[in-house]
Amino acid sequence: AQSVTQLGSHVSVSEGALVLLRCNYSSSVPPYLFWYVQYPNQGLQLLLKYTTGATLVKGINGFEAEFKKSETSFHLTKPSAHMSDAAEYFCAVSVAGGTSYGKLTFGQGTILTVHP
Amino acid sequence: GAGVSQSPSNKVTEKGKDVELRCDPISGHTALYWYRQSLGQGLEFLIYFQGNSAPDKSGLPSDRFSAERTGGSVSTLTIQRTQQEDSAVYLCASSLRTGGEEPQHFGDGTRLSIL
Repeated sequence: AQSVTQLGSHVSVSEGALVLLRCNYSSSVPPYLFWYVQYPNQGLQLLLKYTTGATLVKGINGFEAEFKKSETSFHLTKPSAHMSDAAEYFCAVSVAGGTSYGKLTFGQGTILTVHP
Repeated sequence: GAGVSQSPSNKVTEKGKDVELRCDPISGHTALYWYRQSLGQGLEFLIYFQGNSAPDKSGLPSDRFSAERTGGSVSTLTIQRTQQEDSAVYLCASSLRTGGEEPQHFGDGTRLSIL
């Protein structure tokens, strides 16, 4: 079974500051990792994904994440926060094969607040 | 093209009533997933379809929950004899095919409130 832990249910930054949202995963097989963003009363929007290959992946809106197998981490970063980045962010893991092919297991979510 | 469409966007009903939630996936997407989002439990997987078949129903919380998919397209999630603990946002997602690497595209959800 897979699991995801997001450290910090709330993160607050100033506009222009670095954004760092932490995600650690547990998986007995090679994982596929995703970050999604959710704005109020909306569904989840894909920010970026890691499947295979390059461990540093770039996504939309200036976000990127690095897959570190040795640390079982997939932290999300953005060099300079913008007010429009305020939302809830979810890290998720899936694996290939088995009966739950492609099922996503989510972390608890991190609410990002951006101060002017 | 159009994204994943869910209806209704909001549903308020009395305890004990049955409800049907609809999901219209992105055209051509063969895989369809249902999740539930609630304050206490976060985002939970309910069921997924490959075509019209549901190989994994392990996430359905009780036998009051059922789902079907017809024509490899529209899916309906039915909750019978609703209880207050069923109050949540029900999210549907679709992907081009099953496979862990395929990103899932989500609808805006149905917010279900049981009085």
